[in-house]
Amino acid sequence: NAGVTQTPKFQVLKTGQSMTLQCAQDMNHEYMSWYRQDPGMGLRLIHYSVGAGITDQGEVPNGYNVSRSTTEDFPLRLLSAAPSQTSVYFCASSQANLGNNEQFFGPGTRLTVL
Amino acid sequence: GQNIDQPTEMTATEGAIVQINCTYQTSGFNGLFWYQQHAGEAPTFLSYNVLDGLEEKGRFSSFLSRSKGYSYLLLKELQMKDSASYLCAASPLMRFGAGTRLTVKP
Repeated sequence: NAGVTQTPKFQVLKTGQSMTLQCAQDMNHEYMSWYRQDPGMGLRLIHYSVGAGITDQGEVPNGYNVSRSTTEDFPLRLLSAAPSQTSVYFCASSQANLGNNEQFFGPGTRLTVL
Repeated sequence: GQNIDQPTEMTATEGAIVQINCTYQTSGFNGLFWYQQHAGEAPTFLSYNVLDGLEEKGRFSSFLSRSKGYSYLLLKELQMKDSASYLCAASPLMRFGAGTRLTVKP
């Protein structure tokens, strides 16, 4: 199993550009989520999904969209990038019930917005 | 509101024992996770406590007191490879603390 994979590993954007961060898992996990990690602030939940076709907002959803058309994939879209979105983005998945099962994290995408 | 607090940095000596504390104030609390994160890498799961008390897993143990909103991670027989950040997180909303950066010195 590859686990949770994320692409790209690094990305530089200009303000106003859009892009999609890819996330895929091959563990047949129902729950998937996106976090951003900034220095001194820990991981903050952006969006999460409890299964294909179902998504919900986390703590910091503004400026990001998600969709979950399949169990395996959970892309994160930045519609109009802003410097405040410079961060490290982690995708994670868990077997069931986000709150009671360990999450497996992808390697992260390091995004810089100029 | 939701608040998770843990010390920013700690230093300990190889072979020693260190305790990393985490206090939380969250609504709808289920349990408390601990994750380890080495610099530049993804977090990896260490433990999950639902009930009060101590759970031991090898060199690592985790404690929870629901009535006090308090948890700690205990690391025994410290090794250099234990130098990392340790993150606590309260479920089900997965609110993370800022992390405690532990440095293990020879």
